Amino acid sequence: QVQLVQSGAEVKKPGASVKISCKASGYAFTDFFVHWVRQAPGQGLAWMGVINPLGGTTTYAREFQGRVTMTRDTSTSTVYLELTSLTPEDTAVYYCARKGGYDGSGWDLSAFDIWAQGTLVTVSS
Amino acid sequence: DIQMTQSPSSLSASVGDRVTITCRASQSISSYVNWYQQKPGEAPKLLIYVASRLQSGVPSRFSGSGSGTDFTLTISSLQPEDLATYYCQQSYSTPRYTFGQGTRLEIK
Repeated sequence: QVQLVQSGAEVKKPGASVKISCKASGYAFTDFFVHWVRQAPGQGLAWMGVINPLGGTTTYAREFQGRVTMTRDTSTSTVYLELTSLTPEDTAVYYCARKGGYDGSGWDLSAFDIWAQGTLVTVSS
Repeated sequence: DIQMTQSPSSLSASVGDRVTITCRASQSISSYVNWYQQKPGEAPKLLIYVASRLQSGVPSRFSGSGSGTDFTLTISSLQPEDLATYYCQQSYSTPRYTFGQGTRLEIK
């Protein structure tokens, strides 16, 4: 079935970097953009950025610009999120999500129809 | 950036009640609003896209409406399994798909 599966939980020290993977299956990997969203403990959803798996082009949220890199490997249908210079404020669950295509009536979903299970990143000294 | 403001931030309702959650955009965004449900410990789930279109498999008690700057998510008859936090999201300023702050729904 169509799914996204992320790598496991990470514990990092302040100043370190983390790289999370998101493996797609059940659909044509290069046909759908993949977004990253994070959720700090007890907080709401924060959009981080997006990657086009076809060409690898990216757009990042301003608050993460300079610290975030999104990449993809088309041979394994996997996208990656790397976040550098971690601080305790980066402790959160990180989700990848697929932007849907067109529904049966021709409407562009323009929404995130498939989500992965999330990866908890804990930043602590 | 477009800001999405939800109200209320939390509410408590009884099984069978009609529940309405609102979302206001900081500028007109046509019908480019989506609604998600997030149950405790789970990833978000898409309920409604383009303001009023029901995602496949979502119960018909969920509906969405609105255009421009004001949008609503309605649950026609609240069920125990609807305990969750609900988020609106704008998809007008693609690809920057920002979210509202969430509405926590509790069952009395």
